[in-house]
Amino acid sequence: SQQGEEDPQALSIQEGENATMNCSYKTSINNLQWYRQNSGRGLVHLILIRSNEREKHSGRLRVTLDTSKKSSSLLITASRAADTASYFCATVYGSSNTGKLIFGQGTTLQVKP
Amino acid sequence: NAGVTQTPKFQVLKTGQSMTLQCAQDMNHEYMSWYRQDPGMGLRLIHYSVGAGITDQGEVPNGYNVSRSTTEDFPLRLLSAAPSQTSVYFCASSYIGRDGYTFGSGTRLTVV
Repeated sequence: SQQGEEDPQALSIQEGENATMNCSYKTSINNLQWYRQNSGRGLVHLILIRSNEREKHSGRLRVTLDTSKKSSSLLITASRAADTASYFCATVYGSSNTGKLIFGQGTTLQVKP
Repeated sequence: NAGVTQTPKFQVLKTGQSMTLQCAQDMNHEYMSWYRQDPGMGLRLIHYSVGAGITDQGEVPNGYNVSRSTTEDFPLRLLSAAPSQTSVYFCASSYIGRDGYTFGSGTRLTVV
């Protein structure tokens, strides 16, 4: 399987704290994406980082990419109860954007009010 | 703008029956994909397409067929349903080289 691994599998924090989730992958990538899934719902795209980028921001989200370590992290700052969800990283492997997007198993985040 | 529409939302099949899960998008996206999501397994890619007339296999294609006769539609066919195909199925679409996939709301399939 080409699936990457996410760490931790589950994370529980208090509202206002920062949440960090990590994703590792196996071979070279074209891009890496992060998605959120609320319970029982479809996935929502959060951010895409390309293989030649090292860091991207979107609101309270910060994503880093370290291609030498084949890893990425998603930081959610000043978390809110509404951030409670599962978060998935997904990668397009290879040098070109083939559209073949492979997901990791996800991190379940609980933010306690 | 409806986005990605999946039908039906729920379905119960008997072992051996066949059915087609429908997926339609109105955003003129080139890429379309089908995933299944099982507890503890994340999402696994079944089949994907980079444009009308072009399809390819994903990680778990066995037992499923797809076709892409138009840009808008990407149906997933279960040829002979098995209990192992009990899952939640998601369809997704995207522009080539643009940010991220748009997902449908899913079809919950139970095979008894």
